[in-house]
Amino acid sequence: DSGVTQTPKHLITATGQRVTLRCSPRSGDLSVYWYQQSLDQGLQFLIQYYNGEERAKGNILERFSAQQFPDLHSELNLSSLELGDSALYFCASSVGTYASTDTQYFGPGTRLTVL
Amino acid sequence: AQSVTQLGSHVSVSEGALVLLRCNYSSSVPPYLFWYVQYPNQGLQLLLKYTSAATLVKGINGFEAEFKKSETSFHLTKPSAHMSDAAEYFCAVSRGAQKLVFGQGTRLTINP
Repeated sequence: DSGVTQTPKHLITATGQRVTLRCSPRSGDLSVYWYQQSLDQGLQFLIQYYNGEERAKGNILERFSAQQFPDLHSELNLSSLELGDSALYFCASSVGTYASTDTQYFGPGTRLTVL
Repeated sequence: AQSVTQLGSHVSVSEGALVLLRCNYSSSVPPYLFWYVQYPNQGLQLLLKYTSAATLVKGINGFEAEFKKSETSFHLTKPSAHMSDAAEYFCAVSRGAQKLVFGQGTRLTINP
């Protein structure tokens, strides 16, 4: 158990809909990362937050957005869903300092199926 | 830009045999390198990481990896494979507390 929790575990929805994925980081971690794992794209970085502020952005679609709240949990919002958005979405957390060699700890993931 | 290449999307070994999973990195500055393992229907678990302290890195479950700058490689090895090692393995690179860039993964199958 990494200490990172994600809900829900599974999500099935229809095209055009909007969903919210939730992540709680490990106690003491200030940084949260979101990754998408799909068969064709592999594991891809989406976005990073550090202590409530966006720190880095990857291949995140405009239909997707995220935020990190004062209690440090994070939510990834996916809207106007398409079949191709079906994937495993992972959240990871770390201490978050630039200079350190801190490790990212991954949650169990949320499997999104868009029908 | 940083990237990693994992050679072989699928590796199959016999139980008790040597496991060798290959990873080459591309980075303009000294990188941090990681190996993660993903068991079926689970998240990623860190096996080991290279942070420039020592070139031979020992991880969990008997795995180790050697950083070779001259070959830009960070191959993962285990002397004797167990059935429980069957999983997907990912090599990743980063610079500090920044995004991880993952390889495409290598699926390891263990034959009895």
